[in-house]
Amino acid sequence: EPEVTQTPSHQVTQMGQEVILRCVPISNHLYFYWYRQILGQKVEFLVSFYNNEISEKSEIFDDQFSVERPDGSNFTLKIRSTKLEDSAMYFCASSTDSVYEQYFGPGTRLTVT
Amino acid sequence: SQELEQSPQSLIVQEGKNLTINCTSSKTLYGLYWYKQKYGEGLIFLMMLQKGGEEKSHEKITAKLDEKKQQSSLHITASQPSHAGIYLCGADMGQAGTALIFGKGTTLSVSS
Repeated sequence: EPEVTQTPSHQVTQMGQEVILRCVPISNHLYFYWYRQILGQKVEFLVSFYNNEISEKSEIFDDQFSVERPDGSNFTLKIRSTKLEDSAMYFCASSTDSVYEQYFGPGTRLTVT
Repeated sequence: SQELEQSPQSLIVQEGKNLTINCTSSKTLYGLYWYKQKYGEGLIFLMMLQKGGEEKSHEKITAKLDEKKQQSSLHITASQPSHAGIYLCGADMGQAGTALIFGKGTTLSVSS
């Protein structure tokens, strides 16, 4: 069964460093998303991406964040200068254009020290 | 903005018992999604409901959306330890590719 994959599973970084989180969405999906979940809190939407551009973003997704689909399979989230409060589980998700349900990856746990 | 409230926050049931988890929206729902999450892991899609009065079942899990499309319930029949986890309801704004908002989740423990 096709699934969304994410790497790395756990990333530890120092405050101020840049991190790139990687995702491989399901191959025939056209919409891609990033969500995050701070420990003990709700899953929060960050950004959605369609047709090589951002289609929607939340207030959390400020200038420190960027997304890219560098090739036909990967979808990345970059945080330019990490802060302590960026520590969270980051989930990638994808969906088709005709079916609304979003399929989530296993997540990358980002720890900023 | 739309808010989703889930109840109860946590639940402990004995194996074999039935249980219900509720999700209430402050606004009319377009799409209502149920996901299951194991602690520290990803979200597993369970079911999606879109029509008022709609009901869907998969194995021992049944989800319903009320006629007014503001409340959904998830019912598990004859619970098993494999049902343990965090159940999340999510809602969209009615268009493909839009953000999902989530409730805080209901943590289910099943004792054997």
